[in-house]
Amino acid sequence: EVQLVESGGGLVQPGGSLRLSCAASGFTFSNYGMNWVRHAPGKGLEWVSYISDSGRTIYYADSVKGRFTISRDNARNSLYLQMNSLRAEDTAVYYCARESKGGGHTYYLDYWGQGTLFTVSS
Amino acid sequence: QSVLTQPPSASGTPGQRVTISCSGSSSDIGSNTVNWYQQFPGTAPKLLIYSNNQRPSGVPDRLSGSKSGTSASLAISGLQSEDEADYYCAAWDDSLNAWVFGGGTKLTVL
Repeated sequence: EVQLVESGGGLVQPGGSLRLSCAASGFTFSNYGMNWVRHAPGKGLEWVSYISDSGRTIYYADSVKGRFTISRDNARNSLYLQMNSLRAEDTAVYYCARESKGGGHTYYLDYWGQGTLFTVSS
Repeated sequence: QSVLTQPPSASGTPGQRVTISCSGSSSDIGSNTVNWYQQFPGTAPKLLIYSNNQRPSGVPDRLSGSKSGTSASLAISGLQSEDEADYYCAAWDDSLNAWVFGGGTKLTVL
């Protein structure tokens, strides 16, 4: 059974830093690209970042570029998100999500963790 | 402001058919396939439709997806009370190198 379990949420002051983790199990982690997606209170889903299976290709949303760093450790089946210079608008539930490839050039986020909440507030 | 445009709300009575639209551009829906997610309050999103019209195992066939040009839609027939949830469309954007989502549609079963 595919499982993704996020951890690392909490309360952080503006300007602070935090690292989220996502522990994967039930599949060959090193074969899949992974994503972070967040859901702020009262708002819709917002994609944050992507990392390829090897870690060589990385993308960020403009809203977090230069502040957040995605990484992975395939030996530990783990995904990370280092978040610096945090702002109130970063407050959200953060989900890690596995990216699968369908037929042809099609991709989708098929498994999601339960999410971890962190709040940026003084 | 979301890149993909969805109506904020939709509603129907039990047994009815409802559709939720999703409008994008040439760099997202126009170039890539569309996926749909269902989310209940306080829970993680669940994949409902992938590659425009494919259902993952366990998703009932009364849910269907379609795409034409830069727009897509999700149809739910035989509406049930348990369908009351938020629905999001998503596609990869080749210009942004990013997953883009719609703002979400809150479906109410009257």
